[in-house]
Amino acid sequence: SYELTQPPSVSVSPGQTASITCSGDKLGDEYAYWYQQKPGQSPVVVIYQNNKRPSGVPERFSGSKSGNTATLTISGTQAMDEADYYCQAWDSSTYVFGTGTKVTVL
Amino acid sequence: EVQLLESGGDLVQPGGSLRLSCAASGFTFTSYAMSWVRQAPGKGLEWVSSISNSGFSTFYADSVRGRFTISRDNSKNTLYLQMSSLRVDDAAIYYCAKKGTTEGSGYFDYWGQGTLVTVSS
Repeated sequence: SYELTQPPSVSVSPGQTASITCSGDKLGDEYAYWYQQKPGQSPVVVIYQNNKRPSGVPERFSGSKSGNTATLTISGTQAMDEADYYCQAWDSSTYVFGTGTKVTVL
Repeated sequence: EVQLLESGGDLVQPGGSLRLSCAASGFTFTSYAMSWVRQAPGKGLEWVSSISNSGFSTFYADSVRGRFTISRDNSKNTLYLQMSSLRVDDAAIYYCAKKGTTEGSGYFDYWGQGTLVTVSS
């Protein structure tokens, strides 16, 4: 397996844009996925296959990938977006999660 | 509505064993691979194990291989995780998770609420 590295924390003002990166040696060959986890709750997928948004996820959440780095962007961040975010990859037999990023909305 | 309900978490001594269960409903259980993911207190997510929809193929994280066994009973729509030789660092919330629907991709579209495993003497 391998590692997916995220910044430990990101701070953003309400209404501004938050960007979270996820880097991994093999990420260029695989899809990236993103989960949101609020305190005391189970994770929820917000982006799958690099840039697809599940139904029910607000449009302000978007994903992209370039080479070995994936990025989750939250545009017009709201207080309700304060949470931990994890990236994830899959190589057909094993799953790898990123180190996690705490997004604080100041 | 998809529901995943874990049970079996408990306090166990180091070296002990425990079996977790996950009762699934609201989807065709036999069509989807299932997984266990854990989260130690205050820590990040760690994939533990996965099993194919038939149960024929199983996969494990290096940290649990040889100590944990994943299985499923498709007649009961239930996923299991048999844990043995438990260590202090196995203490975590254990989540049951369903593999996403999208063909060719590997992610979890539904998660249970988790069951807490505490390993302590």
